Amino acid sequence: GNSVTQMEGPVTLSEEAFLTINCTYTATGYPSLFWYVQYPGEGLQLLLKATKADDKGSNKGFEATYRKETTSFHLEKGSVQVSDSAVYFCALSLFSGGYNKLIFGAGTRLAVHP
Amino acid sequence: DVKVTQSSRYLVKRTGEKVFLECVQDMDHENMFWYRQDPGLGLRLIYFSYDVKMKEKGDIPEGYSVSREKKERFSLILESASTNQTSMYLCASTPPWGGSYEQYFGPGTRLTVT
Repeated sequence: GNSVTQMEGPVTLSEEAFLTINCTYTATGYPSLFWYVQYPGEGLQLLLKATKADDKGSNKGFEATYRKETTSFHLEKGSVQVSDSAVYFCALSLFSGGYNKLIFGAGTRLAVHP
Repeated sequence: DVKVTQSSRYLVKRTGEKVFLECVQDMDHENMFWYRQDPGLGLRLIYFSYDVKMKEKGDIPEGYSVSREKKERFSLILESASTNQTSMYLCASTPPWGGSYEQYFGPGTRLTVT
């Protein structure tokens, strides 16, 4: 079946540290891949996406590359800030039967300290 | 900007009560979704709707029903609330075409059943 696995948190970093959150997926067909972020007390918002193999999504200093050969979509940022503290969700989207369905990973909580 | 609103941010109900959670989107999206979010489990799909009066079960529909009488509004109903339905509930919407389009989320309703 289709699934997403992401590294367990919490991830605790100091400000300006390098961030990697691992995400791997299993899917039939050709999914699009997403990273969503949830700040405290809020709903999810799209951080970045990639729709085909070797695409790189980027936003707000975050990057992720769609790697079909390793079925991965790892999230990276070169220098995190306190304001990046949030829960990050990796997800895949498959279009099937006339609608698109998102499948989420369990989420990874990031805490950044000054 | 796409806006998805949910009727309440916080809700406290008693066991056995009938609970209505409402979601409204203003982008004329065909597809609407209800998820519940629990720590360590990510987001799990309860129900979705791809058109007015149409609904499909998601991964965890037991104990829930939905209603979509108008395109912009999608309601989640807990017929007889139970303590194991204490959770964060998130609504989302998306246009119907293609899996590469993101889902737009509301802010969430944190429901506590006592």
